[in-house]
Amino acid sequence: AQSVAQPEDQVKVAEGNPLTVKCTYSVSGNPYLFWYVQYPNRGLQFLLKYITGDNLVKGSYGFEAEFNKSQTSFHLKKPSALVSDSALYFCAVRDSSSASKIIFGSGTRLSIRP
Amino acid sequence: EPEVTQTPSHQVTQMGQEVILRCVPISNHLYFYWYRQILGQKVEFLVSFYNNEISEKSEIFDDQFSVERPDGSNFTLKIRSTKLEDSAMYFCASSGNPGRQIWNTEAFFGQGTRLTVV
Repeated sequence: AQSVAQPEDQVKVAEGNPLTVKCTYSVSGNPYLFWYVQYPNRGLQFLLKYITGDNLVKGSYGFEAEFNKSQTSFHLKKPSALVSDSALYFCAVRDSSSASKIIFGSGTRLSIRP
Repeated sequence: EPEVTQTPSHQVTQMGQEVILRCVPISNHLYFYWYRQILGQKVEFLVSFYNNEISEKSEIFDDQFSVERPDGSNFTLKIRSTKLEDSAMYFCASSGNPGRQIWNTEAFFGQGTRLTVV
């Protein structure tokens, strides 16, 4: 069975500083990894994905994520945070052995202070 | 840009009543999903649907729930005999273009239906 863990309920960063939101996963097949963002009272918005190839993937709004197979991690990063990045972030995984569902982590609330 | 649309945005129902949540997935997508989110917390997988049948379902998706694609565009979630604990935000999603492997594609989500059972 596949699972995703986001160990931090909340991450607080000052504007202009780099940010990292952590994610680890467990799958039985090959992992296909995603990050989504949710703004208040809105749906889930796709940010980026890792399928294969380069371990560093770039996505929307200046976000990037690094796939680390040995540590089974897929941490979300941004070099310089903006106040507008404040939102709820979800890591998600699709297992190649059970490709018909995407499982989400518990979410991390990112707060960027001015 | 194509998007997933859900109606209604907010549904209030009395306990024990049946509700139908409606979704129009992105038109050329092949996989459809329902998820729920309670109080802005974890997003829980309910069911996936492909080729007019359920592909996979979670333990949450018991006999109280059913899904249907009654025509070429709509995808519905029916909840029978609603309970207080069914109150949640329900999200529909779709993914998978013809000719592409399903696991290469992300799911696109609608804005959700907030279900309140009173």
